[in-house]
Amino acid sequence: DGGITQSPKYLFRKEGQNVTLSCEQNLNHDAMYWYRQDPGQGLRLIYYSQIVNDFQKGDIAEGYSVSREKKESFPLTVTSAQKNPTAFYLCASSRTSGSSYEQYFGPGTRLTVT
Amino acid sequence: AQSVAQPEDQVNVAEGNPLTVKCTYSVSGNPYLFWYVQYPNRGLQFLLKYITGDNLVKGSYGFEAEFNKSQTSFHLKKPSALVSDSALYFCAVRDNYGNNRLAFGKGNQVVVIP
Repeated sequence: DGGITQSPKYLFRKEGQNVTLSCEQNLNHDAMYWYRQDPGQGLRLIYYSQIVNDFQKGDIAEGYSVSREKKESFPLTVTSAQKNPTAFYLCASSRTSGSSYEQYFGPGTRLTVT
Repeated sequence: AQSVAQPEDQVNVAEGNPLTVKCTYSVSGNPYLFWYVQYPNRGLQFLLKYITGDNLVKGSYGFEAEFNKSQTSFHLKKPSALVSDSALYFCAVRDNYGNNRLAFGKGNQVVVIP
C-alpha cells in the first residue's frame, strides 16, 4: 500500500447523495486508475488517466466521474446515478514507460450506501 | 480484448505442502502478466510479473510463477505454503494497445490449513 493513500477507509452515505473518494500518490507515476471490487467479481475498471487533465472511461463508468488536475491526485465521485454504489473501491497508479508496468494499489475505501 | 481465467474459486492446501494457483490468459501480442495478493479489507500487493526472459519468474514472499506460452498459462506456485499465505490471489494481463490497462481474473481464495 505504500505510496498511495485513500481516504476515508470507511464511508457511509444516504441514497441520493454524491460522494467523493480521495486518492493521492507520491510515486511520481503518470497513470492512475479506479477499480470497483465486489465479492466474486474480481476488479472492474471504472476510470483511468494516463496524464494530467486527461482520463478515459473504463468498463463500468456509468454513474461515476473523475478529475485529474494534479499528477498526484485522482478523486472519484460516486453520483446518485450509480444504481448500486455499495462496494470496495481501489485506486492504483503505475508508470507508463520502461518495463515497470505493474500497478500499485492503495488500501481501499469501503463505501456503504443505504 | 485481453482476459484472464482463474478456474478455481478456492484452493485448499495443508501447511508445508506445495501451493499452486492456476491462471490462463488471452491477449493479442506478447503477454505482460502479473500476480497480486489481497488480504482482507486491504489493497492488492504486487507479487511478481512476467515481461520477457526466463519462463520461471521469482517474486516476493517465496512465490514464483511459470509462464507457458503454448498453454497460455501463468500459474503461481510456492514450494511450501504457510498459514499466513491464506489470502485472495489475482492474476492480471496487460492490454497491449498502449493504454496500460490490466484485465484481472476473478481471484482465487487460498486457504492454508494448519
